[in-house]
Amino acid sequence: GENVEQHPSTLSVQEGDSAVIKCTYSDSASNYFPWYKQELGKRPQLIIDIRSNVGEKKDQRIAVTLNKTAKHFSLHITETQPEDSAVYFCAASEAGYSTLTFGKGTMLLVSP
Amino acid sequence: DAGVTQSPTHLIKTRGQQVTLRCSPKSGHDTVSWYQQALGQGPQFIFQYYEEEERQRGNFPDRFSGHQFPNYSSELNVNALLLGDSALYLCASSSTGRGNNEQFFGPGTRLTVL
Repeated sequence: GENVEQHPSTLSVQEGDSAVIKCTYSDSASNYFPWYKQELGKRPQLIIDIRSNVGEKKDQRIAVTLNKTAKHFSLHITETQPEDSAVYFCAASEAGYSTLTFGKGTMLLVSP
Repeated sequence: DAGVTQSPTHLIKTRGQQVTLRCSPKSGHDTVSWYQQALGQGPQFIFQYYEEEERQRGNFPDRFSGHQFPNYSSELNVNALLLGDSALYLCASSSTGRGNNEQFFGPGTRLTVL
């Protein structure tokens, strides 16, 4: 089955800095890679996703890149703000099944 | 348009008891997946229901079972509760017919086993 590794487990940055979280996956059949943000005590919320036919996707301050050959994908947050503080999870899925395999999460702390 | 809803919000049980958790999917969605999220971990896939049948199952024992109703809502049942079953149980809905994998999560049920 699929295995997703996520690094780092914690990331502390100053407000305005950039943050990068990296994930690797094992199953070459996976072709959908979402990122979720989970604030304390709340549900995971989808913030951005990418499919295997695309190498990069941007949405304002958030971007995701995908390297299918190397089986890794990354989340990039620019101009971080204190409200970006949360746990971020990457996940991978195979088309047609929609079940997600998650990484263990990255706790992002943005200091004012 | 209501998103994914779950009930109850919190639940406390003792070892050996049985529990039933409920989920209503987002309007227009026909597929429900259940995940277990232990403290400090990522969600782990339990099983997925589509057309009232279990379509896929993760690495969970038979103590975990489920059901999907004709209105697409779903239940997760856990028998013979263990201390290790304490976790946040998340339901996620999606639309198989649309062919994309996007899943929307409910707020979860926090289960504590004493």
